[in-house]
Amino acid sequence: KQEVTQIPAALSVPEGENLVLNCSFTDSAIYNLQWFRQDPGKGLTSLLLIQSSQREQTSGRLNASLDKSSGRSTLYIAASQPGDSATYLCAVRDRDDKIIFGKGTRLHILP
Amino acid sequence: NAGVTQTPKFRILKIGQSMTLQCAQDMNHNYMYWYRQDPGMGLKLIYYSVGAGITDKGEVPNGYNVSRSTTEDFPLRLELAAPSQTSVYFCASSLTGTNSPLHFGNGTRLTVT
Repeated sequence: KQEVTQIPAALSVPEGENLVLNCSFTDSAIYNLQWFRQDPGKGLTSLLLIQSSQREQTSGRLNASLDKSSGRSTLYIAASQPGDSATYLCAVRDRDDKIIFGKGTRLHILP
Repeated sequence: NAGVTQTPKFRILKIGQSMTLQCAQDMNHNYMYWYRQDPGMGLKLIYYSVGAGITDKGEVPNGYNVSRSTTEDFPLRLELAAPSQTSVYFCASSLTGTNSPLHFGNGTRLTVT
């Protein structure tokens, strides 16, 4: 059974700092891993998708890496801004096409 | 292009009542998913479908039923609602393929009292 864990559960950092969010999964037989952003009371927005054959993806100040063999992914946010405050969730698509989510990391950027 | 549309946005049910949460997508996506999200938690997969006529259980299917008679629609049925089903329900869809991101609806907030 696939299990996805995100550490830390919550994080507060001063504006301008670089930060890393972590995601781990128990079964490495995945098709892809996605990172999402969720603002309070809202739906989820896809940020980055890494296929199982890829090592990283970049979009603007965001960089996501994937180490499938060790079951780990990181989301790196450069030069954080108050607008980055949100909950960040990772999800893996397994070989049965189930998409399993972690519980998320609540990020607060301090102005 | 509407994307993924969920109705209703809010609903209050009494214990034992039944209802159907509607989900429709206009992107010709094969794959559709239903999730529930409880406060402070991530999303738990209820049911999913890889195409019309095909449905599979997710992590927390008990108390729910689904059907997929068309590519566009994936309704979620709650029979005999219980307080434990109070949650926010999200529907999502994607194309087939390993490079296809998941697109979400705006959610349905359900309260069972």
